[in-house]
This record gives sequence, structure tokens and C-alpha cells, in this order.
Amino acid sequence: SQQGEEDPQALSIQEGENATMNCSYKTSINNLQWYRQNSGRGLVHLILIRSNEREKHSGRLRVTLDTSKKSSSLLITASRAADTASYFCATDAAGGSYIPTFGRGTSLIVHP
Amino acid sequence: DSGVTQTPKHLITATGQRVTLRCSPRSGDLSVYWYQQSLDQGLQFLIQYYNGEERAKGNILERFSAQQFPDLHSELNLSSLELGDSALYFCASRGTSGVHGTDTQYFGPGTRLTVL
Repeated sequence: SQQGEEDPQALSIQEGENATMNCSYKTSINNLQWYRQNSGRGLVHLILIRSNEREKHSGRLRVTLDTSKKSSSLLITASRAADTASYFCATDAAGGSYIPTFGRGTSLIVHP
Repeated sequence: DSGVTQTPKHLITATGQRVTLRCSPRSGDLSVYWYQQSLDQGLQFLIQYYNGEERAKGNILERFSAQQFPDLHSELNLSSLELGDSALYFCASRGTSGVHGTDTQYFGPGTRLTVL
């Protein structure tokens, strides 16, 4: 298994601004997923991008994947205070069993 | 609501004790994963079961064990508890339907274990 690493560790922005979080990983993947976690709660799946895709949108979320750089980014546009949460990427290694491994997350605070 | 349930929500116990955490996957999901989340270690994969059989092991201590029953619910047993075992314990089931097909994990709300 491998681990995604999110960057930055913490991000503080004002409502209405865009928030960008990055994820790097080490080996080839089948897909990469982004999750959100409100404080002390379970993880909620946001979006999945497969290794043959480069960009995906879902509402105010935009995810990109660059397999040559082994990195992904999550962009949240026009952020809201309710977007305050931790965001995790999870990678599923190619050729292996389905064991998504998570990074330590990016803690996003959106100030009203 | 993910459809994955976990009980109890909170558990406070003393060092040396043994506890059992319970998880029920989403209806129809055969895979159950257990994760431990602590402040200093992030989200760590512990163990996976598929249709009653152990499928993969991660960073699970020998003091910990798990099983999946014929009705597909799973239990995580933690024994000889230490202060460092205090953490959030999540289970997740793997989706077998929906937009993402079989590639998505659905997480339960977690059990917060505090060892005093």
C-alpha cells in the first residue's frame, strides 16, 4: 500500500475565496479519492478520479490528477464557512488489493 | 448518512481493559475495513474483511483482533488497553453500487475510545 500526503497541513481563508489542496503519492494508482471530515465525525466521500482521467468537477469542487508527477489537487471555489473541515486524499495502488491509504489531511478553516 | 453504523459512539475505559467495537456495513456491502485515527498518526488502516474472511492486514497490533460474522457485521476487539490506544476508530464498507461502482468506501461515524 502507499500513502497520499496532503499539502498544506492547514489552510485559513475568508469566505468567498478559493481553497486549493494538494496530494502527492508514491507509486502507480488505479484511482484517487478525496474525502472530507468534519471534526470528530466520519469521512465523507467527495469525488473519485481514475488514473486515466485528468480533471473532474462536482459542484464547487474541481479535482485534477497528474500521474506523471504523482500528484492531485482539490480546488474548492467560492468557499463557505460550512466548508471548514479536514480534507484527505486516498490512493488505491495499481495491481494491489483494494486498500485505500490516507494522508494526514489538510485542515481548512473558512472564516465568515 | 453513509448507511454504515458503529456502536458505541463513545467508550471510556481504563488501562488493561478489553473492549469490543461493532460495525454494520451498508446493506449489500461485503467488505469491511477498520481504521484508527489519532492526532499524531493520522488515519491508519488496521484490517479488512470480505464476506467473513480476513482479506488484508495493516498496522494492527497483536492485542487487537477482528472478525466478520455471517450477517456481515464486524467487531473489533481491543485488549490490554494502553493510554496510546485512545483514538477514533472507524469502520468503512466498500460500495458495490452507485455512481462510483465498487471503488468507494463509505465510513461510519466512528467510535471515540478514551483510555484513562
